[in-house]
Amino acid sequence: DAGITQSPRHKVTETGTPVTLRCHQTENHRYMYWYRQDPGHGLRLIHYSYGVKDTDKGEVSDGYSVSRSKTEDFLLTLESATSSQTSVYFCAISPGQSYEQYFGPGTRLTVT
Amino acid sequence: QQQVKQSPQSLIVQKGGISIINCAYENTAFDYFPWYQQFPGKGPALLIAIRPDVSEKKEGRFTISFNKSAKQFSLHIMDSQPGDSATYFCAARTIQGAQKLVFGQGTRLTINP
Repeated sequence: DAGITQSPRHKVTETGTPVTLRCHQTENHRYMYWYRQDPGHGLRLIHYSYGVKDTDKGEVSDGYSVSRSKTEDFLLTLESATSSQTSVYFCAISPGQSYEQYFGPGTRLTVT
Repeated sequence: QQQVKQSPQSLIVQKGGISIINCAYENTAFDYFPWYQQFPGKGPALLIAIRPDVSEKKEGRFTISFNKSAKQFSLHIMDSQPGDSATYFCAARTIQGAQKLVFGQGTRLTINP
């Protein structure tokens, strides 16, 4: 998976609790992305980063925040998890000069 | 609002047959059209991609056909094999922005032996 790890791989949490997902890369790529995957919707962009401390919103950013304090780490935080945020979350990276995005293995999050 | 529409949602093909998945888009600013393949429990991986200045791209058994005037593109898998069973996503990227991809809904392909 192109030097990308995601943690945790599986998580079950209760409604209203905060949750942080971590994406770690060893490729030194500039761009990092968080997507969620839901049946019938494909993958939808939540937030992305184009450098350390440089982030921007994607298509479905409400209820999510991100941080990137180091090139290799991109954190996705659900401040107060809701059942609608039950999904599989994928991190992706890109060197910025080519067109390909490389995806991590995903995190399956269940909010009960 | 789904900017890239993909069909069918699921597809069953016999081994050796041709699998065809279609996508349509609306935004004429899209300039790059990749297809991703995803196996269960894994992240999507780039399979093949095309730019709008060509009408067809072939890599092995996989071919993308692109119709710019109709704003449609499709993936053809020739001589489909059981190992091709996976979920396939088309996507499109805009010229502006940090290489943001917009994905289709996905097609679950099953190749029967």
